[in-house]
Amino acid sequence: AQSVTQPDIHITVSEGASLELRCNYSYGATPYLFWYVQSPGQGLQLLLKYFSGDTLVQGIKGFEAEFKRSQSSFNLRKPSVHWSDAAEYFCAVRKTGGNEKLTFGTGTRLTIIP
Amino acid sequence: DAGVTQSPTHLIKTRGQQVTLRCSPKSGHDTVSWYQQALGQGPQFIFQYYEEEERQRGNFPDRFSGHQFPNYSSELNVNALLLGDSALYLCASRSRGQETQYFGPGTRLLVL
Repeated sequence: AQSVTQPDIHITVSEGASLELRCNYSYGATPYLFWYVQSPGQGLQLLLKYFSGDTLVQGIKGFEAEFKRSQSSFNLRKPSVHWSDAAEYFCAVRKTGGNEKLTFGTGTRLTIIP
Repeated sequence: DAGVTQSPTHLIKTRGQQVTLRCSPKSGHDTVSWYQQALGQGPQFIFQYYEEEERQRGNFPDRFSGHQFPNYSSELNVNALLLGDSALYLCASRSRGQETQYFGPGTRLLVL
């Protein structure tokens, strides 16, 4: 069964600093990969996704992620964070080939300090 | 274009009661999935409905059941509520043939 690991439970970053959130997955082949963001009391908003092709994907709000097959990783990055980026971030995977289920990591809570 | 909507937003029940949560998918979407998100955890897949049938199910007991209507909206029913059922319940929809699911704001259920 596939699994997702987000090793950082909580990260604190200064406003304007760069950000990298880590995500590792376990799956026999290359799955579909997603990053979602959840603000307090809200549902999940899709930031970006990877299905195939270029391993560097661009998303909304200035986020990007890079798929590295050799490391089974899909880390999320942003060059300069804004106070509004404070939220919970979830990495998720889905098997290719019609399997509907999304498997999520436990999330990384991002705090932004002035 | 309305996104995924869920009702109610919040709900308080007592142990042993039954609850029904509702979801309207994004316009043009015909597939609905339900997830449970316990506090401090990532969402866990409950089940998925397409063409009014349950197509896939996660590791949840039979107390969790669902339904999909001809207009693609869906209900999640939980019987014999336990304290551990307290969570945020998320509905997600997609169009068959597309790979991306879109999530609603969730229903927060508290079981006392």
